Amino acid sequence: SQTIHQWPATLVQPVGSPLSLECTVEGTSNPNLYWYRQAAGRGLQLLFYSVGIGQISSEVPQNLSASRPQDRQFILSSKKLLLSDSGFYLCAWSFTGGIGNTIYFGEGSWLTVV
Amino acid sequence: AQSVSQHNHHVILSEAASLELGCNYSYGGTVNLFWYVQYPGQHLQLLLKYFSGDPLVKGIKGFEAEFIKSKFSFNLRKPSVQWSDTAEYFCAVNNQAGTALIFGKGTTLSVSS
Repeated sequence: SQTIHQWPATLVQPVGSPLSLECTVEGTSNPNLYWYRQAAGRGLQLLFYSVGIGQISSEVPQNLSASRPQDRQFILSSKKLLLSDSGFYLCAWSFTGGIGNTIYFGEGSWLTVV
Repeated sequence: AQSVSQHNHHVILSEAASLELGCNYSYGGTVNLFWYVQYPGQHLQLLLKYFSGDPLVKGIKGFEAEFIKSKFSFNLRKPSVQWSDTAEYFCAVNNQAGTALIFGKGTTLSVSS
């Protein structure tokens, strides 16, 4: 069966510091990978998605970037965090191709920028 | 661009009351529709999904949703809610090419016993 792991679970970072959230999927190959952010009152916002190694689509201009160095690894980064980057970040995956792709979510990472 | 609107931000019900959460989407083509639920302290998980066939979809825990194409709607229903249904509910849509899901802002459901 497939599993998704995301870490760290919680993070408190000062403004201007870098960020790295990592996500890995096991039990499948060539998944679609996603980063979402859940901010209070704003629901789930798609940040990035990737259909393959090195292929990243950005949905919202922001202070963040994503990379996919390996097939089942997806990293969310920032060079300098802003207060507004605080939120709950969710990594997710789905099977490639086909219709009705269900998205499966990781446990999430709470980021507080102080 | 696709978008999803959930009309209710916070719904408060007593146990055994009926539930209907509204969801409307904007997209001109064929879509896949989803409802996800996030119970307190737990992961997001899939409640139900629609991608073709019978527009009335049944999911886990007694939930169902009806796809009404003419209204661009996919409302979630449950005839009798339980205290354990207290959670945040998200409607989501993607197109049939399977692009990333776009979520609504979510509806918080609070059920009192």
